[in-house]
Amino acid sequence: RKEVEQDPGPFNVPEGATVAFNCTYSNSASQSFFWYRQDCRKEPKLLMSVYSSGNEDGRFTAQLNRASQYISLLIRDSKLSDSATYLCVVRGLSGGYNKLIFGAGTRLAVHP
Amino acid sequence: DVKVTQSSRYLVKRTGEKVFLECVQDMDHENMFWYRQDPGLGLRLIYFSYDVKMKEKGDIPEGYSVSREKKERFSLILESASTNQTSMYLCASSLRTTYNTEAFFGQGTRLTVV
Repeated sequence: RKEVEQDPGPFNVPEGATVAFNCTYSNSASQSFFWYRQDCRKEPKLLMSVYSSGNEDGRFTAQLNRASQYISLLIRDSKLSDSATYLCVVRGLSGGYNKLIFGAGTRLAVHP
Repeated sequence: DVKVTQSSRYLVKRTGEKVFLECVQDMDHENMFWYRQDPGLGLRLIYFSYDVKMKEKGDIPEGYSVSREKKERFSLILESASTNQTSMYLCASSLRTTYNTEAFFGQGTRLTVV
């Protein structure tokens, strides 16, 4: 079983739609959680951290459910520019060291 | 502006060659990482380093080695390149602190082994 699992998509949505991605992680000792965005042929960049109480940044809302070991990303009022791959990232201790574990990514395509 | 720079965007090497991928960061970060990214598999950790001259194996270290002689530079070495090492290689760096610390990535090196 992968440590971090995501639905690869693609999610094809029209502009203005609301879309949600989920991600599950296997290590209950994981400490920090993030969503990264990766545009085609570009490097990943931090979209937002995910806090225990949930957090919002404009049209983006992230939630963490530690009991069920999943995190989610909700995008409201989708824009064409939101088209990208969204990577779920978990930081946890492994062998005594902090490691960032990436999911394979969920591809989002927003169309006019 | 924070920066992680990888020495090459594209590389083509022959099977059996020794290949060096270089990464430099200017943020005085303690942690540095090498990942490879393949379709459907996401980013997989090859090696990481939490200090100068220190290194730890990631999930797929076979066929690779690393060197960190200076804090700002982390090199990935393919001892004898093989076609299954054709991939996108991404270097990243971060502070050592535990929580909610952002990792910054280089632009990636697309390596093709023929």
